[in-house]
Amino acid sequence: DAGITQSPRHKVTETGTPVTLRCHQTENHRYMYWYRQDPGHGLRLIHYSYGVKDTDKGEVSDGYSVSRSKTEDFLLTLESATSSQTSVYFCAISQGQGNTIYFGEGSWLTVV
Amino acid sequence: SQQGEEDPQALSIQEGENATMNCSYKTSINNLQWYRQNSGRGLVHLILIRSNEREKHSGRLRVTLDTSKKSSSLLITASRAADTASYFCARVRSGAGSYQLTFGKGTKLSVIP
Repeated sequence: DAGITQSPRHKVTETGTPVTLRCHQTENHRYMYWYRQDPGHGLRLIHYSYGVKDTDKGEVSDGYSVSRSKTEDFLLTLESATSSQTSVYFCAISQGQGNTIYFGEGSWLTVV
Repeated sequence: SQQGEEDPQALSIQEGENATMNCSYKTSINNLQWYRQNSGRGLVHLILIRSNEREKHSGRLRVTLDTSKKSSSLLITASRAADTASYFCARVRSGAGSYQLTFGKGTKLSVIP
């Protein structure tokens, strides 16, 4: 298994509260990604990073922000959680362009 | 928008039979990757096939790629109950941005013992 750890794995939070999900990798891969998975939509890219402090938006970035201060950590923040952000969030890593992308085990987030 | 659409959406077969899943996409690719996801778990990488490759094998898995038709297929031979899972194809587009995966919605495979 690729060395990817997501935390927390499960979280229930209230609408309007901030939430941060953490992805930690031990592979020293340059690229890191956050996806969300919802029934009927498959996996959709939220944000990605191509290096320390280098990030960009994906397909569904509204309501999310990210930060990458170290190669090994990529944080996803929901500034003010909404019920539409109830989802399973997956972190992924890759060495570079055109390479295999490996996924973490997921973080289940419920916003009530 | 979703790229890499899988077909069929659901497939039910008997143990020992072969399972074929198809994937279509719309734009040029750098590579196409197949993943398996068991219920409640993360995605497990199965095979990566590059745009200049036509076929790849890994154990009981065979992936083909037809870039002229913008399609790929995943064949699982001699299926087992443990193969029950959702299977996704994801494309990595060519050129700028060739580090992002775009997923289809997956094929849900059920292998009946």
